[in-house]
Amino acid sequence: SQQGEEDPQALSIQEGENATMNCSYKTSINNLQWYRQNSGRGLVHLILIRSNEREKHSGRLRVTLDTSKKSSSLLITASRAADTASYFCATGNAGGTSYGKLTFGQGTILTVHP
Amino acid sequence: GAGVSQSPSNKVTEKGKDVELRCDPISGHTALYWYRQSLGQGLEFLIYFQGNSAPDKSGLPSDRFSAERTGGSVSTLTIQRTQQEDSAVYLCASSLGRGIPIQYFGAGTRLSVL
Repeated sequence: SQQGEEDPQALSIQEGENATMNCSYKTSINNLQWYRQNSGRGLVHLILIRSNEREKHSGRLRVTLDTSKKSSSLLITASRAADTASYFCATGNAGGTSYGKLTFGQGTILTVHP
Repeated sequence: GAGVSQSPSNKVTEKGKDVELRCDPISGHTALYWYRQSLGQGLEFLIYFQGNSAPDKSGLPSDRFSAERTGGSVSTLTIQRTQQEDSAVYLCASSLGRGIPIQYFGAGTRLSVL
């Protein structure tokens, strides 16, 4: 079953605009990651935020994590047509078999129009 | 290798046939994961390997599904007596080891069961 719920399911914007995607999850986590997927194939890791962090930046990406609300957001600033892809949040659960198993959200399909 | 390699990239089979999907992880990565991505189900965890052993097989949907890993490297996912609902993209990922959260994904095998 999918732990993460992402919203919106689809987002369409113009180049240069910012894109914000949200993810909610249900159980305790020790980290949350965002991945990108082009054309329905392999996923590429974008950024990881640990449960004791509240915000992280990487280039045009900004991720926030609110463990009290069990939610995260991914902001892509100054979007480009090449950012068009599906974006997934993935959580790693605290406790139990903490070997790195990921639970993915349903994803947000981002379309950036030139 | 430079990245995670999966073969074949596409597989079309007839209902009832057996199929084998192969994953060659990044050299030195001891952890290996199989996921399945299908419409309506998102990305589902199937099985995790640490070295050649599989401590977590909890995501395998039925006893028709099995996987092995040899030499701490290549893994094969076998689906016996394929059914139409097995149609999906099967993704393999590897990471440096137990508890290392960032995973590197292959491009996947798109399985179509007719």
